[in-house]
Amino acid sequence: EAGVAQSPRYKIIEKRQSVAFWCNPISGHATLYWYQQILGQGPKLLIQFQNNGVVDDSQLPKDRFSAERLKGVDSTLKIQPAKLEDSAVYLCASARGVLNYGYTFGSGTRLTVV
Amino acid sequence: ELKVEQNPLFLSMQEGKNYTIYCNYSTTSDRLYWYRQDPGKSLESLFVLLSNGAVKQEGRLMASLDTKARLSTLHITAAVHDLSATYFCAVDVRAAGNKLTFGGGTRVLVKP
Repeated sequence: EAGVAQSPRYKIIEKRQSVAFWCNPISGHATLYWYQQILGQGPKLLIQFQNNGVVDDSQLPKDRFSAERLKGVDSTLKIQPAKLEDSAVYLCASARGVLNYGYTFGSGTRLTVV
Repeated sequence: ELKVEQNPLFLSMQEGKNYTIYCNYSTTSDRLYWYRQDPGKSLESLFVLLSNGAVKQEGRLMASLDTKARLSTLHITAAVHDLSATYFCAVDVRAAGNKLTFGGGTRVLVKP
């Protein structure tokens, strides 16, 4: 089974620029998550999708972050405009369903905002 | 709000000795996960603990769960250099919609 694919692997942008990350979950996995991992910390959930609907976006800074999952498969996470404190690794994870307990993480996108 | 705390934050180990990482969480959980993360890499699943008293072992690592104390431990037996990494515990609460809440991580460095 192919894993969770993310791109790009690395991104360096200047503050106030915009950036987008892409995630392709494991085929058949209905639930998709975006996590933010700041250096030296544990991952923090930004948004959870069930198919193409949002289940939880309570910790998503909605003034600058947006995410979508069209057709319930791929997802994109966008930051506009970026701030220095957005420098982090953005991890995408997927799970088969809400009641499933197997989470698979992608390799992440490392964002540096300068 | 669910809180997950790990200690210690950093653990310097000597090869051949035994150590324990602790994970406390603030509310009833359905599942407790342990992950390993190498520098610049993603999260590698180590264990999933589903019920009180659950114990799982893989090589030199053993994880246990005490749901009454809201405590999980990750025990390392006879540490070796290959175990150097950061270890995270994470809690999954079904009533909260099945999402992982992570601890802050324990950075492990095994010295010869």
